[in-house]
Parts: sequence; C-alpha cells; structure tokens
Amino acid sequence: DTAVSQTPKYLVTQMGNDKSIKCEQNLGHDTMYWYKQDSKKFLKIMFSYNNKELIINETVPNRFSPKSPDKAHLNLHINSLELGDSAVYFCASSQLGDGYTFGSGTRLTVV
Amino acid sequence: AQSVTQPDIHITVSEGASLELRCNYSYGATPYLFWYVQSPGQGLQLLLKYFSGDTLVQGIKGFEAEFKRSQSSFNLRKPSVHWSDAAEYFCAVGGINTGNQFYFGTGTSLTVIP
Repeated sequence: DTAVSQTPKYLVTQMGNDKSIKCEQNLGHDTMYWYKQDSKKFLKIMFSYNNKELIINETVPNRFSPKSPDKAHLNLHINSLELGDSAVYFCASSQLGDGYTFGSGTRLTVV
Repeated sequence: AQSVTQPDIHITVSEGASLELRCNYSYGATPYLFWYVQSPGQGLQLLLKYFSGDTLVQGIKGFEAEFKRSQSSFNLRKPSVHWSDAAEYFCAVGGINTGNQFYFGTGTSLTVIP
C-alpha cells in the first residue's frame, strides 16, 4: 500500500536511448511532481502537474516530458539520454497547501 | 524570488548531544515551511511542517522547529541525537503563491559519532 511508488528503482542505459520512469500515487492527491537530485544532493523541480495545469521548469531540456494518463499517474519520458542526465529522480504528490509525499526515487545512470 | 539557504553543509555531533540545523528562506508571502529527512538510498520523509499558528512545531522522531518571521528562519532542533538520526536534512519553502511548488535548500548532512 505504498503511497507514491516509482519504477524502476534503478535504471542503467546507454547514451542516446529513450527511457521512461513511472510514478503512481494512491493518496488521491491533485498534484504530482518530478524532482531531480544531482550528485551533490541538490533537489531541483522539473515539473508540477495537476488536472488543469502543467508547470515546466524552464531550465529543463525539452528531451524531458511528463505524461499523465490520469490523476494518479505521472510518468517521465526522457529522449536521447545524455551523460549529464545521470541523477536520482523523485516523484512526489500533494494536495494544494500541504506537504509532499515522495516516492523512493529512481537512480538513473547513463553510460 | 523564492529560495532557501541552509548554511551548514555538514554537521557532526556526538550521540546524546543537542542539535540545531539552520534554515533561512526568502518568500514573497506567508510561507509554508517544511523539514525533510533523507536516509542513504532512500526517499525524503516529512519531519514537520509549518503553515500558520504556533511558531514552534513538533514533528516526528523527537524533532521540533521554530518559525521566526523577523529572521526569516525555520531552524530544526532535537534535544538529544540518536545514531539513527544520521542522514541528509532538507528545508523547503513553498505555498499557494507558487502553485504549491516547493523550493529546497541544498541540504545539511548530519554525522553522529558514538
């Protein structure tokens, strides 16, 4: 009964490949997010999305795209992977005005 | 602009000693403030949050934090640290004004020595 679940937990892939990370929440939250945590532990928001609005951090390359089939899912697609994309990616969800519930993260390694 | 500063990159304390982790924020309205903890290889767990009201908030695992508007601070405290508290701690600020997007500090790494 995990609240926010991400798959896979680890992802190793070659440069140039396209990959997806899945995220599902069973909390009934309205908003979901993707964060990137770099090697220095810095957390940077990539996207936030609810039923009405997608907010994209302008610094995120357009190779990254969120896709939400329904309110409980927000998947992250990455095209043409680069070495610099290696990081831990966290999915999170929240209700407006409340704290986030985070998934356990996906460690992406691009070789 | 919204931002969070955690001045201490790394802190080492002895088990049983008291702990204070500093957090300063910049936010254009009444902030929502949070502390999260991240154990190695794990996701982030919410320790406590402040929305309004009493400026001293209690959280899980014996942690507390005090909101000081005049100092734009939200420092995290624990009277007696346990070895299991060794982790990365993140302060975050956000709120309705930013579409509930949170801005995280760069984190403070806590080492606990026996």
